[in-house]
Amino acid sequence: GQSLEQPSEVTAVEGAIVQINCTYQTSGFYGLSWYQQHDGGAPTFLSYNALDGLEETGRFSSFLSRSDSYGYLLLQELQMKDSASYFCAVRSNGGGTNDYKLSFGAGTTVTVRA
Amino acid sequence: EPEVTQTPSHQVTQMGQEVILRCVPISNHLYFYWYRQILGQKVEFLVSFYNNEISEKSEIFDDQFSVERPDGSNFTLKIRSTKLEDSAMYFCASATGESSYEQYFGPGTRLTVT
Repeated sequence: GQSLEQPSEVTAVEGAIVQINCTYQTSGFYGLSWYQQHDGGAPTFLSYNALDGLEETGRFSSFLSRSDSYGYLLLQELQMKDSASYFCAVRSNGGGTNDYKLSFGAGTTVTVRA
Repeated sequence: EPEVTQTPSHQVTQMGQEVILRCVPISNHLYFYWYRQILGQKVEFLVSFYNNEISEKSEIFDDQFSVERPDGSNFTLKIRSTKLEDSAMYFCASATGESSYEQYFGPGTRLTVT
């Protein structure tokens, strides 16, 4: 099965930088995704890493180290609208199937204060 | 921008009743998924569906659950005999073939079993 660990909550002020770490144990690993969810709404895709290294998308960056089974999401220049839950999710293959599933971590609640 | 839609937004049912949750995935997507999220908890994978058959299912997806793609646009989740513990938000998601790491989630159906 899959297990993912990420901090339960983080609080920071506007303009700050926040790093959300995620460690995972899984079989059939293909990549690590990050999703944002506001108040129980639909999770929305933020980024995906299949290879080691840093992926930058505007204010958000994501990093993966496959050898360490570790990744992080970096939120820069925090804004009030970034207050949400952030989930890391392992993309894995069930073995012999032509499809992939996402296994989510428990989520990190980010609270941005003025 | 195309989006995944789900109906109803909220469903209240009595224990033991059958419910059908409906989803319309994005039209050119090939991979379809159901997830659930119990209030305050993580998003959990239920089932993936590709080429008109189930690709993978989780332990949660027991004999009480079934999925169907009755026509070219709808994707349904049926729970035959609901239990109190089935109360959750149910999300449908879809993905293209080339970039199935980016799953697009619908707004969810909140199922309340009384």
